[in-house]
Amino acid sequence: GAVVSQHPSWVICKSGTSVKIECRSLDFQATTMFWYRQFPKQSLMLMATSNEGSKATYEQGVEKDKFLINHASLTLSTLTVTSAHPEDSSFYICSASYSARPSSYNEQFFGPGTRLTVL
Amino acid sequence: QQQVKQSPQSLIVQKGGISIINCAYENTAFDYFPWYQQFPGKGPALLIAIRPDVSEKKEGRFTISFNKSAKQFSLHIMDSQPGDSATYFCAASIGGNEKLTFGTGTRLTIIP
Repeated sequence: GAVVSQHPSWVICKSGTSVKIECRSLDFQATTMFWYRQFPKQSLMLMATSNEGSKATYEQGVEKDKFLINHASLTLSTLTVTSAHPEDSSFYICSASYSARPSSYNEQFFGPGTRLTVL
Repeated sequence: QQQVKQSPQSLIVQKGGISIINCAYENTAFDYFPWYQQFPGKGPALLIAIRPDVSEKKEGRFTISFNKSAKQFSLHIMDSQPGDSATYFCAASIGGNEKLTFGTGTRLTIIP
């Protein structure tokens, strides 16, 4: 159980265009979804936390107007990279959690990631 | 104070040996310490996790040792296998706040 999917798995776009990445929890309702960015051979850096139906909370230094996050339902969150530039090229990973599950404490389930390349 | 320091950066272990990765934290409010395994091009997967009310947790070949007074925790992989070759991340979070703070990662290579 507890599967999280991401779409697309990879995307190449031209500089200045916008790209949308979807994150879905397939077999559970996610009360919270997280978006991370990971550069090659580096750790995961949290970008933002989103709860269904409310505005996302962005980490310090993350431009909220550039990285638009929508959490429209308990199974879907989207990250839109607006006016993408080559420095936005990275591996974007989402995770989802549900705090109602009594046997797991704060457990997050991660998606497979989306490789974004901006030319 | 939110940092989690992880060492070593890379580790080479012979097949059948014990792999040990260490993490240290400063924030005493952290109360959940998971370890994640990540293969290239994939998202991280939860391996094992511990809370500070126990000093050790074992699941199969994987063991977490936790030292609350030293603010350190470590992952031990017994009988290491080539399939264990991956990058391992420790993390920590605060109860009621699910934000995970990740360590810098350890690239583990198991050689025959």
